Amino acid sequence: NAGVTQTPKFQVLKTGQSMTLQCAQDMNHEYMSWYRQDPGMGLRLIHYSVGAGITDQGEVPNGYNVSRSTTEDFPLRLLSAAPSQTSVYFCASSYSGGGAPNEQFFGPGTRLTVL
Amino acid sequence: GESVGLHLPTLSVQEGDNSIINCAYSNSASDYFIWYKQESGKGPQFIIDIRSNMDKRQGQRVTVLLNKTVKHLSLQIAATQPGDSAVYFCAQSGGNDMRFGAGTRLTVKP
Repeated sequence: NAGVTQTPKFQVLKTGQSMTLQCAQDMNHEYMSWYRQDPGMGLRLIHYSVGAGITDQGEVPNGYNVSRSTTEDFPLRLLSAAPSQTSVYFCASSYSGGGAPNEQFFGPGTRLTVL
Repeated sequence: GESVGLHLPTLSVQEGDNSIINCAYSNSASDYFIWYKQESGKGPQFIIDIRSNMDKRQGQRVTVLLNKTVKHLSLQIAATQPGDSAVYFCAQSGGNDMRFGAGTRLTVKP
């Protein structure tokens, strides 16, 4: 199994540009999520999905959209990039939601810089 | 708002010693408390979790203690090895939400 894969690994955007961060998992996990990690801070939940066709907002959803058309894929879209969205983005998956079990498998991350 | 915080941002220990990483939390309604390890340039990796109705759980070389009276969580690593050097995050979950603390950087000196 490849686990959780993310593309691209690095991305530089100009303010106002849009882009999609890709995330895929091959473990047939129901739950998938997106986090951002800023220096000196822990991971903050952006959006999550408990299954295909179901998405919900996390702690910091503004400026991001998600969709879950298949079990495997969970793309994150930045609608109009802002410098405040400069961060490292992690996608994760698990068998079920954060309540139990808690063993989320994380991807390697996408480092995004917005100029 | 609710938060998960850490007492110390950095911890340095000698190889072979035991490490204790601490975490304070404020949301008493969480179902689980979890520890993750993050090595440089990688995504976080699950270490161990503990259900809110437990006070201790042991894994391989790791023990998590939960003190609900003072809202405190700790991770003990026995016989710390150089490979344990990383940033350690505590997190708490309830339903589908998970909140992470800021992290403690553990450095193991040879």
